[in-house]
Amino acid sequence: QLMGSGGGVVQPGTSVRLSCVGSQFPFRSYAMHWVRQAPARGLQWVASISSDRNTKSYADSVKGRFTISTDNSNNSLYLHMNSLRPDDTAIYYCETTSFYRDFDLWGQGGLVTVSS
Amino acid sequence: DIMLTQSPLSLPVTPGEPASISCRSSQSLLHRSGYKFLDWYLHRPGQSPQLLIYLGSHRASGVPDRFSGSASDTDFALVISRVEAEDVGVYYCMQGLETPITFGQGTRLEIQ
Repeated sequence: QLMGSGGGVVQPGTSVRLSCVGSQFPFRSYAMHWVRQAPARGLQWVASISSDRNTKSYADSVKGRFTISTDNSNNSLYLHMNSLRPDDTAIYYCETTSFYRDFDLWGQGGLVTVSS
Repeated sequence: DIMLTQSPLSLPVTPGEPASISCRSSQSLLHRSGYKFLDWYLHRPGQSPQLLIYLGSHRASGVPDRFSGSASDTDFALVISRVEAEDVGVYYCMQGLETPITFGQGTRLEIQ
């Protein structure tokens, strides 16, 4: 399973870190992702890190502000979110997938609200 | 970026009747492995998205066999043979062939 934490109400321009801890699957073998859903909007991919942890990819809307990272020693995935804007308000989900996507697991989602 | 266009965006269905959702890609989703990197998800209210179909036509573990997927290189379909009340939610197609990973707009299935 994937257990997420972090989030809450934050002011524009500030930072927050989301975390997900994986268990009962080979954490180091799979790619990891962050996907978000803004209020009344569809799903939007945010960032991915490859299974070998060497390749990181970001949506244009968060590039330069968000950083995805992992700590394989404690099966943890992170999303460091800087310079937050009101349009970053969303439920953020962590996800892990095998390469051919036959294994797919999502965290429960954490709400980040960016508001003054 | 690869654009995915779903139709319809709203789908009212009577229980027991079939339902079909289309997803058209702006470019081929055929990977060099021979697989098509298109997945289908169901997002129920208040829950995390659930994988239904991966690689265009492979049913995910635990998914009822009333769900099926068909695929060409750019045209994909999700078919529910007999809709049940628990199938209510928003259905998304998603391409994992290249980044940025992209989703369709979503199709809201409701029970009539």
